Amino acid sequence: AQSVAQPEDQVNVAEGNPLTVKCTYSVSGNPYLFWYVQYPNRGLQFLLKYITGDNLVKGSYGFEAEFNKSQTSFHLKKPSALVSDSALYFCAVRDGDYKLSFGAGTTVTVRA
Amino acid sequence: NAGVTQTPKFQVLKTGQSMTLQCAQDMNHNSMYWYRQDPGMGLRLIYYSASEGTTDKGEVPNGYNVSRLNKREFSLRLESAAPSQTSVYFCASEGTGTGVSGYTFGSGTRLTVV
Repeated sequence: AQSVAQPEDQVNVAEGNPLTVKCTYSVSGNPYLFWYVQYPNRGLQFLLKYITGDNLVKGSYGFEAEFNKSQTSFHLKKPSALVSDSALYFCAVRDGDYKLSFGAGTTVTVRA
Repeated sequence: NAGVTQTPKFQVLKTGQSMTLQCAQDMNHNSMYWYRQDPGMGLRLIYYSASEGTTDKGEVPNGYNVSRLNKREFSLRLESAAPSQTSVYFCASEGTGTGVSGYTFGSGTRLTVV
């Protein structure tokens, strides 16, 4: 069965500092990996995805993620965090069928 | 604007009451999904429909039924609501046939069962 784990419930960073949100995955085949962001009282918004190809994937709002097959990780990164990046972030995985499995989510707080 | 529309946005039910959550997408997507979001548990798949005319159970289907009315609409029904079904419900859709594009989510329905 496919699954993802987000080991940190919360991440706190100062504005301007690098931001990393961790995600590890488990699938039986080749993974399709996604990051979504959720702002308060809103639906989830797609940030980026890894299907195949380059291990560094660039997405919306200056975010990027690095796929590491040997460590089965797909960490989300932003070089310089903004206060407006404060939100709930979800990692998700799919291993070939249509269904996404989501992690429990990581709350990011960026302080001014 | 194109996207996924969910109604209602908020609902309070008494235990044992029934209701249907509506979802419609105007992106000509084949696949549609219903998830519930609970604190600390992420999103859990209730039911999904890979294409018009097909539906399948997800991770937590008990207490729910679905209907894929046509390609645009995918409804979720609670026949006899229970307090454990208090949650935020999200509908999502995805196009297929052009690669893996990721889901588009609706804005959610916040349901409270008292």
